Amino acid sequence: DTEVTQTPKHLVMGMTNKKSLKCEQHMGHRAMYWYKQKAKKPPELMFVYSYEKLSINESVPSRFSPECPNSSLLNLHLHALQPEDSALYLCASSQGPGQGTYEQYFGPGTRLTVT
Amino acid sequence: QKEVEQNSGPLSVPEGAIASLNCTYSDRGSQSFFWYRQYSGKSPELIMFIYSNGDKEDGRFTAQLNKASQYVSLLIRDSQPSDSATYLCAVKGSGGSYIPTFGRGTSLIVHP
Repeated sequence: DTEVTQTPKHLVMGMTNKKSLKCEQHMGHRAMYWYKQKAKKPPELMFVYSYEKLSINESVPSRFSPECPNSSLLNLHLHALQPEDSALYLCASSQGPGQGTYEQYFGPGTRLTVT
Repeated sequence: QKEVEQNSGPLSVPEGAIASLNCTYSDRGSQSFFWYRQYSGKSPELIMFIYSNGDKEDGRFTAQLNKASQYVSLLIRDSQPSDSATYLCAVKGSGGSYIPTFGRGTSLIVHP
């Protein structure tokens, strides 16, 4: 099974709202990722968790706050977003350092609209 | 700066033809190479990965890797309109990083 799940599929939020995106995988992967993707652009890396620890933050604004409660779950907490944050948010997972191959499997994404 | 280059296209081929998608990379020590297919509005789907020089075949897809020339390509035989999508090349570079770098993607259009 190579499935990564994400909820919700769609999210519309105002600039003063707080919401969370959720991601889950059961492949035993120890690396999990958040990407942001705008139309006609490649995925843009935001955060990487390796063995449940934050290993990379690509200078993402603090209005995005990641969390990795356990090895299967990844959350992205959103607060005071701007309209330019509207995008497709993708979660991915892969084997972690030392586990072997590193192909990433993506979830279906959350289409976020900030009004 | 590790770079992965793809022609953005669109690449237009007739149904039944072979579509050839190319990707070049700057890090000579790169070790792993991935091809993803992304339909409009959907997430990337892994379709092939290759680690060794030469060809790797999976159904209608063939990945070709030439490390000396620093390119990897994806051939799609008997192209179908359902193959119309953006194809993303991703490369895991040398060193300790396990995180791949994505190219900008090539848009493929297969017309009936």
